[in-house]
Amino acid sequence: RKEVEQDPGPFNVPEGATVAFNCTYSNSASQSFFWYRQDCRKEPKLLMSVYSSGNEDGRFTAQLNRASQYISLLIRDSKLSDSATYLCVVAWSATNKLIFGTGTLLAVQP
Amino acid sequence: DARVTQTPRDKVTEMGQEVTMRCQPILGHNTVFWYRQTMMQGLELLAYFRNRAPLDDSGMPKDRFSAEMPDATLATLKIQPSEPRDSAVYFCASGLADTQYFGPGTRLTVL
Repeated sequence: RKEVEQDPGPFNVPEGATVAFNCTYSNSASQSFFWYRQDCRKEPKLLMSVYSSGNEDGRFTAQLNRASQYISLLIRDSKLSDSATYLCVVAWSATNKLIFGTGTLLAVQP
Repeated sequence: DARVTQTPRDKVTEMGQEVTMRCQPILGHNTVFWYRQTMMQGLELLAYFRNRAPLDDSGMPKDRFSAEMPDATLATLKIQPSEPRDSAVYFCASGLADTQYFGPGTRLTVL
């Protein structure tokens, strides 16, 4: 079983739609959680951290469920520019190592 | 706007040749990571350093790969000899605590 699992997609959604991605992780000792975004042929970039209480950044909302070892990302009012691969990332703080999921591909259609 | 820089951006080489990739981390960051990304495997951690000391290189094929950090402004990843299966994008990232910032990557093709 992979340490971080994501649905690879693709998720094809129209502009303005709301889309949600989910991710599960296997190590209950994981301490930090993130969503990264990767555009085609570019490097991954930090989108947002994920906190236990849930957090929001504009149209993006991230949630963490430690009991179920589950992380989610919700994108509201999706834009064409949101088209990218979204990587779920888990860290073991003692080592600063980040474990990446294989990513979920989002394609927002006009 | 501080960024991680990597050279070369693209490298095409023949099997058996030595390849050296370089990375300049963001000034002040105390951790440096090397990743490899392929379509099949996604992002894999190869090695990482904290305060220039190697902490973990368990993801790296030891017989042909080596990673070093000769000073705080330079990290290197070397493959010798290179093989076609090494073809991938190699990313360097630097960070503080859990946050990492990635360089643009080196796209390696081994023929």
